[in-house]
Parts: sequence; C-alpha cells; structure tokens
Amino acid sequence: EPEVTQTPSHQVTQMGQEVILRCVPISNHLYFYWYRQILGQKVEFLVSFYNNEISEKSEIFDDQFSVERPDGSNFTLKIRSTKLEDSAMYFCASTIGTGGEQYFGPGTRLTVT
Amino acid sequence: AQTVTQSQPEMSVQEAETVTLSCTYDTSENNYYLFWYKQPPSRQMILVIRQEAYKQQNATENRFSVNFQKAAKSFSLKISDSQLGDTAMYFCAFMKFGYALNFGKGTSLLVTP
Repeated sequence: EPEVTQTPSHQVTQMGQEVILRCVPISNHLYFYWYRQILGQKVEFLVSFYNNEISEKSEIFDDQFSVERPDGSNFTLKIRSTKLEDSAMYFCASTIGTGGEQYFGPGTRLTVT
Repeated sequence: AQTVTQSQPEMSVQEAETVTLSCTYDTSENNYYLFWYKQPPSRQMILVIRQEAYKQQNATENRFSVNFQKAAKSFSLKISDSQLGDTAMYFCAFMKFGYALNFGKGTSLLVTP
C-alpha cells in the first residue's frame, strides 16, 4: 500500500540553525500539507500546497518557514532560524483531492536545543 | 474559524466493553467533513473513520461507528468490543471542503485487561 514517508525521523539542532524536513507524498496525490504537534498538545495546521504554490497557511507559518516541492516527488519544510519553541513533531500529509482522506507520514521529531 | 472540542481528556474502558468518545464542533459551513484519527504511542496518525456532512447515515468501520448529529454539531465515536490495541490518543477533526484539518485536543483512551 502506498504511504507517505518522512526523513529524518528525529532531528536535533541548535537554536538559530536552519533545518529542512523532507517528505515524499503518495505519488498520485496533488495536495500536500504540513502539521505540527508540540508534545502533549493537539495537532496544528501549518500550510497546504497545491499546484506548486501555497494554498493556505496558518498564523503559525510565519516568515521563518518556507515550503518547496523541488522535484516531482519531494515536499520540504524549511525552518530558517530555529527557536526552542519549534521543538515538536512535524507531520506531512497528502491527499488526492480536496475532501479526500489525508494520509499522514510517520512524522519528524524536531528537537531544538 | 471552526473550533473542535473534545471534553474528555482521558477515558478508560475494559477489554471487550464499549466506549464512546465525545466531540463537538462549531461552524457556519454546510459542506464539511469530520474525522476521527488515532495516535498510538508511536505517534503515527491513523484515520479511524470519516463522515461527510451531507450524508445522514452514520459512518461505520468494523468496530468503530459514529453518531453524527448535524443540528447539534456533535460527532461522537463509539468503539465496540474494545481491544488492548485500541489504547491511543484519539483526535476528532473538522475539515471545511478544500481546506486543512482542524483538530481537537484529543482524548487519551486506555483499554485495560
């Protein structure tokens, strides 16, 4: 069964450093999402991406964040200058169309020290 | 903005028993979807069940069923014949057609032998 994959599974970085989280959505899916979950809290939407551009973003997704689909398979989330409060689990999700089930990847646990 | 409320932070049920998790939401939209996601200790997000708002019939997936009350904006999840593997965090989520998922804070379910 096709699945969303994410790398790395765990990333430790120092405050102020840039990180890139990678996702490979399911191959025929067209809509891509990033969510984050701070430990013990709910899952929060960051950004959605369709047709090579951002279609929606939350207030969390400020100028330090960016997304890109550099080739036909990868979907990346970049955090330019990490802060302690960026420590969280970051989930990528994809769906074939609006209203369809969003398939989640296993997540990348980001720890900022 | 839509809000999703899960009023039970923790619940416990004995194996083979039935348990119901509550969820209410607030929206002025007419076309939307509702979901229940399961998050086991691995933190993977797993879709349990989905409901389209335009469908009056309650969704069912094996031991999992929902009680969707559109007028009351209520969407509860019933788990029958609970199994130890059902122990997890359960998140209710709302999705306006074409937009991202909006999650509740979750209910931690413990299934005991």
